[in-house]
Amino acid sequence: QKEVEQDPGPLSVPEGAIVSLNCTYSNSAFQYFMWYRQYSRKGPELLMYTYSSGNKEDGRFTAQVDKSSKYISLFIRDSQPSDSATYLCAMSRSGTYKYIFGTGTRLKVLA
Amino acid sequence: DTGVSQDPRHKITKRGQNVTFRCDPISEHNRLYWYRQTLGQGPEFLTYFQNEAQLEKSRLLSDRFSAERPKGSFSTLEIQRTEQGDSAMYLCASSLSEIGELFFGEGSRLTVL
Repeated sequence: QKEVEQDPGPLSVPEGAIVSLNCTYSNSAFQYFMWYRQYSRKGPELLMYTYSSGNKEDGRFTAQVDKSSKYISLFIRDSQPSDSATYLCAMSRSGTYKYIFGTGTRLKVLA
Repeated sequence: DTGVSQDPRHKITKRGQNVTFRCDPISEHNRLYWYRQTLGQGPEFLTYFQNEAQLEKSRLLSDRFSAERPKGSFSTLEIQRTEQGDSAMYLCASSLSEIGELFFGEGSRLTVL
């Protein structure tokens, strides 16, 4: 079993829809969570960084962490065709330097 | 723009040749990471520097791979005797604090023929 699981998609939604992207993880020690957006042949772009549980909102993006369920989510409101990309989750714990990444979910927002 | 800079963006080489990638982190960031990403996969951790000290290396980093960060500024990743399995995107990232926000460069894509 991988430490971080992410549905590869593709996930297709119409423009303006609310998108929900999710990751599950197995290591209960994870406390630091990030979401990235990656366009084809480009480096990952940091969208959200959260510590421990709870919600964080930034513009059209909301990140949620449910440590009891070992589940994190990224919501995108009013999705746009320019949001079409691969979304990666990443997480880490104290005492290590490395982040573990999910495989990414491909999102297509249809105009 | 003062983001993470990587060079070259794309390198095509023949099997058995040596290649070197360079990363210039965000100027005030003293933590630097190398990751490798293959098609359809998430980035995999290779190694981590705090200033000039290499503090952690993945088992993925075979003895053909070496990374340096002289003077705690830019970093290089060298792959000796390249193999076709080394074909991937090599990503550099930097951070200001331990387990802090990680900022990536655009990556160096390696194709080994």
